[in-house]
Amino acid sequence: DAKTTQPPSMDCAEGRAANLPCNHSTISGNEYVYWYRQIHSQGPQYIIHGLKNNETNEMASLIITEDRKSSTLILPHATLRDTAVYYCIVRVSGTYKYIFGTGTRLKVLA
Amino acid sequence: EAQVTQNPRYLITVTGKKLTVTCSQNMNHEYMSWYRQDPGLGLRQIYYSMNVEVTDKGDVPEGYKVSRKEKRNFPLILESPSPNQTSLYFCASSLGWGGSRNTGNSPLHFGNGTRLTVT
Repeated sequence: DAKTTQPPSMDCAEGRAANLPCNHSTISGNEYVYWYRQIHSQGPQYIIHGLKNNETNEMASLIITEDRKSSTLILPHATLRDTAVYYCIVRVSGTYKYIFGTGTRLKVLA
Repeated sequence: EAQVTQNPRYLITVTGKKLTVTCSQNMNHEYMSWYRQDPGLGLRQIYYSMNVEVTDKGDVPEGYKVSRKEKRNFPLILESPSPNQTSLYFCASSLGWGGSRNTGNSPLHFGNGTRLTVT
């Protein structure tokens, strides 16, 4: 099954870029990488997704390596409100199952 | 406003007393799913539904039932709740798979959660 690996925690200074890495070495060719975040115990919030090209939206940028085995979520100017758990997930090929790992707990410091 | 609505937000019940957690979406999404979240275990899928009258088991279906009689609603039913079902539950929906059964990239939209305690 597809699996993602993320560091358990990271700190980032307010106003600086937060770069959150994710390894997904078993991803298959037609599987997308999705990023979500969860603030406290609220429902996970969708951030961005991509297949193989880099993507950018109003919230973040997603950089996917050429071999697609890893990706990085970039929050360009982190604020205190970006403190959350960030999940990198893929959908298991041929199924309707998303694999959520335990995510990265990002703490933005004032 | 496009949203997934779960009710109730908090529920405390006793072992064996049947309960239903409702989930409704107003985005005309085909796909809906239920997850439970427990400390250290992340989000685990309970059941999902590809469309009306089409449901299937996820990773942890034991002790749960679902139904999809209408496109917008996907209730989660606990016929005889037990303390090990104490958890935080999330409903999610997405547009569908955009064509191919094995591809598609529509993201999931989550509700705000239901915290269930079974004593």
